Amino acid sequence: DGGITQSPKYLFRKEGQNVTLSCEQNLNHDAMYWYRQDPGQGLRLIYYSQIVNDFQKGDIAEGYSVSREKKESFPLTVTSAQKNPTAFYLCASRIGTGTEAFFGQGTRLTVV
Amino acid sequence: AQSVTQPDIHITVSEGASLELRCNYSYGATPYLFWYVQSPGQGLQLLLKYFSGDTLVQGIKGFEAEFKRSQSSFNLRKPSVHWSDAAEYFCAVGPLRDSKSGYALNFGKGTSLLVTP
Repeated sequence: DGGITQSPKYLFRKEGQNVTLSCEQNLNHDAMYWYRQDPGQGLRLIYYSQIVNDFQKGDIAEGYSVSREKKESFPLTVTSAQKNPTAFYLCASRIGTGTEAFFGQGTRLTVV
Repeated sequence: AQSVTQPDIHITVSEGASLELRCNYSYGATPYLFWYVQSPGQGLQLLLKYFSGDTLVQGIKGFEAEFKRSQSSFNLRKPSVHWSDAAEYFCAVGPLRDSKSGYALNFGKGTSLLVTP
């Protein structure tokens, strides 16, 4: 079945550590996105990529980094510079403009 | 500025009652419109979408939504709610052209639906 796979489902980070969230899709979509979800805040865009080897900052990119070396993969690194990383992270993809986004099941990151 | 507003943070309905969730948007032109549903700890599932044409859109799970250009609204409705409909509902819009966000969807803050027996 085609879809988006995020891993791990739960992730715990110590203060000062970098952690990487995985996002893989087999939908052959060009565009991929990372959103952060906090209670009552909706979804806020962190980074997006419209094509391999190209990505752009979204609304809340500070403290995050991404790469897009393959069409199928768009990992997100939460760096130690992100002061409040505890949140639910959602990866999405779209085939192009004018279409709906498909979402992964999310990763819940908790700072311990 | 472009924005999506869901005025109701929480809504409680009785099982079997009708439901309407509100969504208003502010965009320069008619955007693409979506409703998504999210169960706790899960990703988002598309309920329905509007791109053009008939302003009444049918979706999955018995949901429908009506696009009203004059009111800049895209309200979600269901005639009879089931207990399994309890979830978080998000309205989203996709701009026709936005080089700043890669055509990313812009989401409202969500409406949490509670269904009582």
